[in-house]
Amino acid sequence: GAGVSQSPSNKVTEKGKDVELRCDPISGHTALYWYRQRLGQGLEFLIYFQGNSAPDKSGLPSDRFSAERTGESVSTLTIQRTQQEDSAVYLCASSLYAPKQETQYFGPGTRLLVL
Amino acid sequence: AQSVAQPEDQVNVAEGNPLTVKCTYSVSGNPYLFWYVQYPNRGLQFLLKYITGDNLVKGSYGFEAEFNKSQTSFHLKKPSALVSDSALYFCAVRGSSGYSTLTFGKGTMLLVSP
Repeated sequence: GAGVSQSPSNKVTEKGKDVELRCDPISGHTALYWYRQRLGQGLEFLIYFQGNSAPDKSGLPSDRFSAERTGESVSTLTIQRTQQEDSAVYLCASSLYAPKQETQYFGPGTRLLVL
Repeated sequence: AQSVAQPEDQVNVAEGNPLTVKCTYSVSGNPYLFWYVQYPNRGLQFLLKYITGDNLVKGSYGFEAEFNKSQTSFHLKKPSALVSDSALYFCAVRGSSGYSTLTFGKGTMLLVSP
């Protein structure tokens, strides 16, 4: 079946502009995660959605970052007033359920460059 | 707080030789441990995980990992490396106690030479 998909694959924007990144999880997966991967670094957790529960936003680095998810479908990550330090690969992952032992499956990522 | 350490930024090995990519962790409660591989300009691909049971876990592409509770380690191994194994490898952990998200190491670049 189809895996996690993300769009756009690449995004170049100017400092101060807003950007919106999209994630389509694997069909039927109830949990969805966003991560940020800076060059040469590991993955940094941003936000987690589980069904209709309130999302865990504890990893969002500032109030310029927000994310939404409608039910168990598509999620969008929005970065307002982008800064150069926001340049990174943004990865989305989904898992069938939320328990800690569940495997997360990752999309190909969106490579964001802020000029 | 939980953490993962991958002490080597890069591992070099000749094709056909065994490889080991090291990972140690710190969590509350029992660990759930994962290995992922990332090829250039691609997302992370799941390799294997340890939840409970047998300490030796077998995964995709001939990889395996050994859970060692006393040493808090989960090293990734393969008996005979292939050039196509060259990629970035991430170890990740999630603790069974309390609420926690998946914590990743910084990654280890594996380079397999012909």
